Amino acid sequence: DIVLTQSPATLSLSPGEKATLSCRASQSVSNYLAWYQQKPGQAPKLLIYDASNRATGIPARFSGSGSGTDFTLTISSLEPEDSAIYYCQQRVHWPPRCSFGLGTKLEIK
Amino acid sequence: DVQLLDSGGGLVQPGGSLRLSCAASGFAFSNFPMSWVRQAPGQGLEWVSSIGGSGNNIYYADSVQGRFTISRDNSKNTLYLQMNSLRADDTAVYYCAKDLSRGSQTHYFDYWGQGTVVTVSS
Repeated sequence: DIVLTQSPATLSLSPGEKATLSCRASQSVSNYLAWYQQKPGQAPKLLIYDASNRATGIPARFSGSGSGTDFTLTISSLEPEDSAIYYCQQRVHWPPRCSFGLGTKLEIK
Repeated sequence: DVQLLDSGGGLVQPGGSLRLSCAASGFAFSNFPMSWVRQAPGQGLEWVSSIGGSGNNIYYADSVQGRFTISRDNSKNTLYLQMNSLRADDTAVYYCAKDLSRGSQTHYFDYWGQGTVVTVSS
């Protein structure tokens, strides 16, 4: 099974700063990687799919990059409402399934 | 607007059964694959099962294979998860989730229910 390792576990930054979140896969997932944002008490929200495509309605300050085993979610200029846990997710074609990383908790000072 | 309303959770004893439901509205339900994803208390996300739009192409995580059954009733725009032989480690919030793409299963989820809590305890 493919394991996703996210780093750092926790990130504390100020509004206006840039956040860089990492996700590393134990084997290549091509570009089949997504990023989700989850706030306390809420369901996850899709931000990025296929490594770099923003989901509908997601602000341009969120961007994704990478392929193979190394991926990055960048938030260019942090807003207070970006405080959340961010999960990466990979999917495989066969058998069709997916798995998630353990998450990065982003705190806005 | 797309809405997914999860229900059916509750407290059940180990070895017991529970059926979750997810009522969908605001999109062509039968065109989209659907999934269940769970989150144990204070933990990350775990994909549980997925089903194609017509009710075929059913897949399960190893952890629930043989105990859980996913199904859908497209005439009622409703997704189900029948959970049998429940164990303590099945305790979680269970979310239904809509696949991003109509047709084939991408396992990218663009809409989620609010979640229903399942607690397995004696």
